[in-house]
Amino acid sequence: EAQVTQNPRYLITVTGKKLTVTCSQNMNHEYMSWYRQDPGLGLRQIYYSMNVEVTDKGDVPEGYKVSRKEKRNFPLILESPSPNQTSLYFCASSFWGGNQPQHFGDGTRLSIL
Amino acid sequence: AQSVTQLGSHVSVSEGALVLLRCNYSSSVPPYLFWYVQYPNQGLQLLLKYTTGATLVKGINGFEAEFKKSETSFHLTKPSAHMSDAAEYFCALNNAGNMLTFGGGTRLMVKP
Repeated sequence: EAQVTQNPRYLITVTGKKLTVTCSQNMNHEYMSWYRQDPGLGLRQIYYSMNVEVTDKGDVPEGYKVSRKEKRNFPLILESPSPNQTSLYFCASSFWGGNQPQHFGDGTRLSIL
Repeated sequence: AQSVTQLGSHVSVSEGALVLLRCNYSSSVPPYLFWYVQYPNQGLQLLLKYTTGATLVKGINGFEAEFKKSETSFHLTKPSAHMSDAAEYFCALNNAGNMLTFGGGTRLMVKP
């Protein structure tokens, strides 16, 4: 089954404790992206990757890191999480091209205390 | 810079009534437009998309949307609402590579 898998689905942690949210896709997509969803703001892009070893900032990259060492994986790293990073996070992937729909994971709800 | 505005953060309709969710966009170049639906505790699923060609686009679950360039709109409609349509709906635009710009979302409530 074609899917984007995120882990964990839920995480409660404390300020400053490094965490990683994993994302994996099995559709051989070149493009992968991370979004955060906050009420009333829709989804905002954090980082994206056009292919292996190619990443770039989205609209809200501060406080986040990513890497793309393999085509299927695109982890999101919060090295020193803060309460304002409490949010719902989505990973997405697609083939390259503006007319290509993105496929989304089920989301990761992060609470930073 | 591009932007997407969804009018009405909450819309309530009765079962069997017309569903109309509004989306207006701003883009300096012809955009690709998408509607996604999000059910509780799930990711976003594609409902339909407009790329080029026919301006009336049909999607899954009986939804359709019409691209109106003169009005910079891409409103989503369904003739008859069903209880299972209750969800949050997002309009999104792409005019540069794969970067999507989302509207703020509209939560659709369906009353029995």
